[in-house]
Amino acid sequence: GAGVSQSPSNKVTEKGKDVELRCDPISGHTALYWYRQRLGQGLEFLIYFQGNSAPDKSGLPSDRFSAERTGESVSTLTIQRTQQEDSAVYLCASSPTQGPRSAFFGQGTRLTVV
Amino acid sequence: RKEVEQDPGPFNVPEGATVAFNCTYSNSASQSFFWYRQDCRKEPKLLMSVYSSGNEDGRFTAQLNRASQYISLLIRDSKLSDSATYLCVVAASGTYKYIFGTGTRLKVLA
Repeated sequence: GAGVSQSPSNKVTEKGKDVELRCDPISGHTALYWYRQRLGQGLEFLIYFQGNSAPDKSGLPSDRFSAERTGESVSTLTIQRTQQEDSAVYLCASSPTQGPRSAFFGQGTRLTVV
Repeated sequence: RKEVEQDPGPFNVPEGATVAFNCTYSNSASQSFFWYRQDCRKEPKLLMSVYSSGNEDGRFTAQLNRASQYISLLIRDSKLSDSATYLCVVAASGTYKYIFGTGTRLKVLA
């Protein structure tokens, strides 16, 4: 597609359930990022991928969070045993390897844990 | 100290005013700098890159001061449509890790 696509756009889940969030980056972009944005807050870095590998996982808040990327394309962010503090918008972005390394964002997944 | 710091604002300015935001960064090896704009409940979008020599795009001017480790954004002749949160972004040297500031909120008043 023309832009970064994320699904679902909204997700309401019960506390303790697992959720999977999906990101389809712009075709050809080898770098992919996940950020979290709580209501009224800035963007919190979670993880980034260069190709299918994740050189920096330092932002994952706990071992309940994991992410993978396959085929240098789609990425999934998994949150196990969700907690209410996980409620936020999860934003995915991708960037090209060449040229100005600016990131293009998807519209995010709004996660609500009840 | 946060890696990227911004004054959260809000900056309330009348239409037609000139307004400037600063952003400081802590990593002296940072190589790439950007300003993003985020409208309420929307995703961030690239406003402009920031080059060492400074650059201009219409009413917007971005500057980099490596010695003092800050970047700035100047908006001239503010429009109502400029109301948004402006995010400063720094990319660490040798990585693709983009560090976002928490943003500066601008409100342009009629």
